[in-house]
Amino acid sequence: QKEVEQDPGPLSVPEGAIVSLNCTYSNSAFQYFMWYRQYSRKGPELLMYTYSSGNKEDGRFTAQVDKSSKYISLFIRDSQPSDSATYLCAMSERGGSEKLVFGKGTKLTVNP
Amino acid sequence: KAGVTQTPRYLIKTRGQQVTLSCSPISGHRSVSWYQQTPGQGLQFLFEYFSETQRNKGNFPGRFSGRQFSNSRSEMNVSTLELGDSALYLCASSSGSGANVLTFGAGSRLTVL
Repeated sequence: QKEVEQDPGPLSVPEGAIVSLNCTYSNSAFQYFMWYRQYSRKGPELLMYTYSSGNKEDGRFTAQVDKSSKYISLFIRDSQPSDSATYLCAMSERGGSEKLVFGKGTKLTVNP
Repeated sequence: KAGVTQTPRYLIKTRGQQVTLSCSPISGHRSVSWYQQTPGQGLQFLFEYFSETQRNKGNFPGRFSGRQFSNSRSEMNVSTLELGDSALYLCASSSGSGANVLTFGAGSRLTVL
């Protein structure tokens, strides 16, 4: 079993839809959870960063962490064609550690 | 503020050769991490350097090595290239303390023939 599992998709939705992206993990020591967005031929860019369990909202993006279920989610409201990208979840055991464990990414297409 | 710069962006090598990739971090960032991205395995951590010292290492063979210079610039080297080393190599920089917020470069795409 891989440490982090993420459905690769692809996921195709119409503009304005609510998108739900998820990852599960097996390492209970993970405490820091991130979502990165990667456009084609670009490096990943940080979208959301959360510590431990709970919700975090930033504009149209909401990140949720459920440590009891070892499950994290990213919700995108009012999705836009510019949101079309690959979304990667990432986790680490401690802050200040640059050793992140990534999911394989979910490719999202938002159709106008 | 300049981002993370990686050179070269694309390169083609043959099996058995070696390659050196370069990364210039964001000014003021002291930590540089390297990741390998492939379709099959996704993003995998190679190693991290902080103040010229390797602070973390992933599960890659010794053919993969790196170093960091006093100006925080970093290089990684892969010797005796194999076909399976074909990948996008991503460098990321951070302050190296507190929150592990990484800023990635655009990557160096290596093709091994």
